[in-house]
Amino acid sequence: SYELTQPSSVSVSPGQTARITCSGDVLAKKYARWFQQKPGQAPVLVMYKDSERPSGIPERFSGSSSGTTVTLTISGAQVEDEADYYCYSGTDNNQGVFGGGTKLTVL
Amino acid sequence: QVLLAESGGGVVQPGRSLRLSCAASGFTLSRYAMHWVRQAPGKGLEWVAVISYNGSKEYYADSVKGRFTISRDNAQNTLYLQMNSLRAEDTALYYCATLAVVGATVFDYWGQGTLVTVSS
Repeated sequence: SYELTQPSSVSVSPGQTARITCSGDVLAKKYARWFQQKPGQAPVLVMYKDSERPSGIPERFSGSSSGTTVTLTISGAQVEDEADYYCYSGTDNNQGVFGGGTKLTVL
Repeated sequence: QVLLAESGGGVVQPGRSLRLSCAASGFTLSRYAMHWVRQAPGKGLEWVAVISYNGSKEYYADSVKGRFTISRDNAQNTLYLQMNSLRAEDTALYYCATLAVVGATVFDYWGQGTLVTVSS
């Protein structure tokens, strides 16, 4: 089965740059998406096709990819960006897979 | 306004069955593949299953294969998840979601989830 590996937590001060990585063999062949989830809420898509930002997502969110690792970057992180972030990808056998999630703390 | 509303969750004993529903409104369900995603209490997201736009193809996570069945009724704008032989580890909030990205078009919507608790 496929796996996506994320750090369990990332912590930055407001205004700093937060980087969250996601690694997995499937990412060499498939695009990744990133979801933001705040407590008690459904996930929200913040990045797709590795580096495309949906409408309504602030420009401080960006994405990149290199080999089997994708990175979500939040430039000038705000307190309201504090949340859990999950990477996601489809797989060769038509399944889906989420990373384990990264808790972003901004304080 | 796109809305996805899950229902059917509850408390069920191990080994029993439960059927979840997801009512879609504000869009044409038949145009999109649909997914179920779950989240155990305090844990991360886990992809569960997907069904093609017309119901001809279904794919499952290894953890539920052979026990869960995803289906849809496009005429009723409703998605289903039949869960059999439930286990304690199936306890989770179950979301239905579109997860659709077609070219540059994003159609990503989630419901608010329905809670399934498997306990004796």
